[in-house]
Amino acid sequence: DTEVTQTPKHLVMGMTNKKSLKCEQHMGHRAMYWYKQKAKKPPELMFVYSYEKLSINESVPSRFSPECPNSSLLNLHLHALQPEDSALYLCASSQVSLAGAGAKNIQYFGAGTRLSVL
Amino acid sequence: ILNVEQSPQSLHVQEGDSTNFTCSFPSSNFYALHWYRWETAKSPEALFVMTLNGDEKKKGRISATLNTKEGYSYLYIKGSQPEDSATYLCAFKGSQGNLIFGKGTKLSVKP
Repeated sequence: DTEVTQTPKHLVMGMTNKKSLKCEQHMGHRAMYWYKQKAKKPPELMFVYSYEKLSINESVPSRFSPECPNSSLLNLHLHALQPEDSALYLCASSQVSLAGAGAKNIQYFGAGTRLSVL
Repeated sequence: ILNVEQSPQSLHVQEGDSTNFTCSFPSSNFYALHWYRWETAKSPEALFVMTLNGDEKKKGRISATLNTKEGYSYLYIKGSQPEDSATYLCAFKGSQGNLIFGKGTKLSVKP
């Protein structure tokens, strides 16, 4: 099973709402990632979890709050978002985090959650 | 700021045509170059991870080359088929560790 599952596929929320994005993998990967992609732009890294600990936060505003309850699950809690936060949010996982250049570091992606903030 | 450039942005070819596109990346502190294939509404799928200068990788009709000294990689598709229609992303991994993605080349293959 090389699947990374993201839910929901689509989400519409108001600026005062609290919502969560979920990501799940059962490949035994110990690194998980959140990316944000705006239209016609490359995916941009937001957070990296390695062995369930937050290892990288790319200066993401605190209205985005990641959580890794266990090695298979990654959540992204959203609160008080702005319309400019509307984007595709991609989750990925890899066997190891950042170390090494070869096959162990291939990232497997989910299909993303398309978020619209009204 | 590390920059990864892909060209062209989009490409329209006829079924059976062969095609290629380019990924340019920093030539210093190189660790690896990843290529992904991303069909609409699906997950990006890893095609190749390339690490050595002069590397050539092949998967069916798709192949890729790597020149780390000058900072570019080519992706070739031989005899394009409609099912090859997708966005092809490259991502540079340097000593900073993270993947830095290009904007992608969107390929459309007409039957």
